[in-house]
Order: sequence, then C-alpha cells, then structure tokens
Amino acid sequence: DTEVTQTPKHLVMGMTNKKSLKCEQHMGHRAMYWYKQKAKKPPELMFVYSYEKLSINESVPSRFSPECPNSSLLNLHLHALQPEDSALYLCASSPTGVENSPLHFGNGTRLTVT
Amino acid sequence: GNSVTQMEGPVTLSEEAFLTINCTYTATGYPSLFWYVQYPGEGLQLLLKATKADDKGSNKGFEATYRKETTSFHLEKGSVQVSDSAVYFCALSAVGSGGSNYKLTFGKGTLLTVNP
Repeated sequence: DTEVTQTPKHLVMGMTNKKSLKCEQHMGHRAMYWYKQKAKKPPELMFVYSYEKLSINESVPSRFSPECPNSSLLNLHLHALQPEDSALYLCASSPTGVENSPLHFGNGTRLTVT
Repeated sequence: GNSVTQMEGPVTLSEEAFLTINCTYTATGYPSLFWYVQYPGEGLQLLLKATKADDKGSNKGFEATYRKETTSFHLEKGSVQVSDSAVYFCALSAVGSGGSNYKLTFGKGTLLTVNP
C-alpha cells in the first residue's frame, strides 16, 4: 500500500468544469510535489511545496492552481482545462525537499478532459 | 543542466533471463541516483538508490552500482520473473538551477516485458 493517498483515482471533466485533485500523506514529510505524466513518458514536475510554501512552479499554466492547506495535504485545483491536459497526475512527498532523499509517490489520478 | 539517458526498449525477455538496463547521467555536483519502477495503473515506486560513488543499491534481486568514472548506474537482475514486467525509470536528484530544492530528473523509461 502506498503511503501517499490520492483521490479520486479517475476523473472525467469538461473544459468548462472546475474540479480538484487531492493528496494526503502522514509520514511527516514537509515537501510535496505535483507531477504530470503522459502515456509512455516520464513524469514532469509541475509544482513543489516546501514547508507549506510554494517553492517551485515549472511555468505551469494558470488553469492549474496548487494549494497546500497544511503539511499533510496538497490540492490541485483545475479550471478551464484543455483535452491535452488529459494525463496521470501524480503526487509525491519527501522529508524536506532540500535533501537527496527519494520521493514517495501516490498512485495518481487519471484525468480525462472532454 | 542535469540529464539522464537510459535505453528506451521495449525489452522483452523470457522468465529467468538476465536483465540489464543501461543508464548514464550528466550532472553537476554529487547527485544521488535512483531506479523507480511503475507497474501498470500505478504510481512510481522506489526500487533502489545510491547516494555516492561506488555505492551499490539492491532490492528484490535488482542491483545497480554508482559509477562516477563512467557516469553510469546500470540496472541488473540475474533472473527475471513475469511479475517484474513494468516500466523502469532511472533518475538523479540534484539541486535545481537557481535554488535550494532538490529536483528529480528522469530518464525516458524502459518498458520490460517478461514472458513465461
């Protein structure tokens, strides 16, 4: 069982919808990440939160809006997405983000934009 | 910048065959190196890691040695099983440009299929 929990597992949304992806970890990690993974490709980093502050935004379009309400939770708010945004969205965590520790990944949310 | 190059495959083997997936890297400083595995429909799981030159990471029969002189971190397993069928990603962790956060840089992934 993964220690990083993502909900929902699957999401279908229209281009005018607003939805949110959720991620939770209880390992005491202080760094949390959002990645986007297209089919047959490696994950691409979107955002990093370190100690609940946004520390990296990889020039992600504003239709993706991250939020870190506390050290255990990470949300990704979605609005006015495009079909090309359909992908697997992975959440990950690490102890602090400023060390060479491996990331712990969730199983992802499979997003389809129609 | 940092980069990882791994053989893309796909790789198809029979059960009990020997596996090698090549991985080389380019990085400034002293990166940590990882192999992640992704089973169908799942996220990535850490398979093994090495944090300094000559370290050998091992797990579930898989091994990889951090070779600084050849900037390589090849994955090997002596006898693969059907259950090893998955996508394998080589990755390095190093400080990103302009900041203090460490960032993972992934290779493109190698699809391994093991037939009975």
